Amino acid sequence: QQQVKQSPQSLIVQKGGIPIINCAYENTAFDYFPWYQQFPGKGPALLIAIRPDVSEKKEGRFTISFNKSAKQFSLHIMDSQPGDSATYFCAATLDKIIFGKGTRLHILP
Amino acid sequence: DTGVSQDPRHKITKRGQNVTFRCDPISEHNRLYWYRQTLGQGPEFLTYFQNEAQLEKSRLLSDRFSAERPKGSFSTLEIQRTEQGDSAMYLCASSLMGVSYEQYFGPGTRLTVT
Repeated sequence: QQQVKQSPQSLIVQKGGIPIINCAYENTAFDYFPWYQQFPGKGPALLIAIRPDVSEKKEGRFTISFNKSAKQFSLHIMDSQPGDSATYFCAATLDKIIFGKGTRLHILP
Repeated sequence: DTGVSQDPRHKITKRGQNVTFRCDPISEHNRLYWYRQTLGQGPEFLTYFQNEAQLEKSRLLSDRFSAERPKGSFSTLEIQRTEQGDSAMYLCASSLMGVSYEQYFGPGTRLTVT
């Protein structure tokens, strides 16, 4: 029973482009919606997080857009760089983290 | 370095054997979590502790799995009578209470059951 649905599974973007990853959730009790970044051989690391009463949050080149009524949220990466190539997970929290299945992002140099 | 550490990093075992993994969280964090990640999937929650109390266990955690955090510091995850389906990366994370979205993950223990 997947509570957080993520798309696309993989994404290839030219350097400088703006990759967008989308997620949808079902449980309105979730209290935070974080995004995690994972490099091969490493554990996931928190990138940015948003509360459900906020529509947008920016941290550096990363932006979360949140649509509470549609129960959807997305991650935008501005001016993407080859070093951003990683797997990105959207998630939702209620004490524990419920992760999406991940998006493998590749930024072409 | 005060990050989350896990030991061992890799474990190969034969089906039917028992294995135990250890996690050392960030020292001031009172919450500790275990997740399992298979190839191409997101981490799946297994269980979590607040100090030494185990507060929640996933339905994924069969009776062959047991976790402890005896003194509210390090934690162990034991899998008894391992099966090939147990092959996965086992991730440990820690956080402060009230900031559960900000979890710090260890590098994981990769288990291969042959």
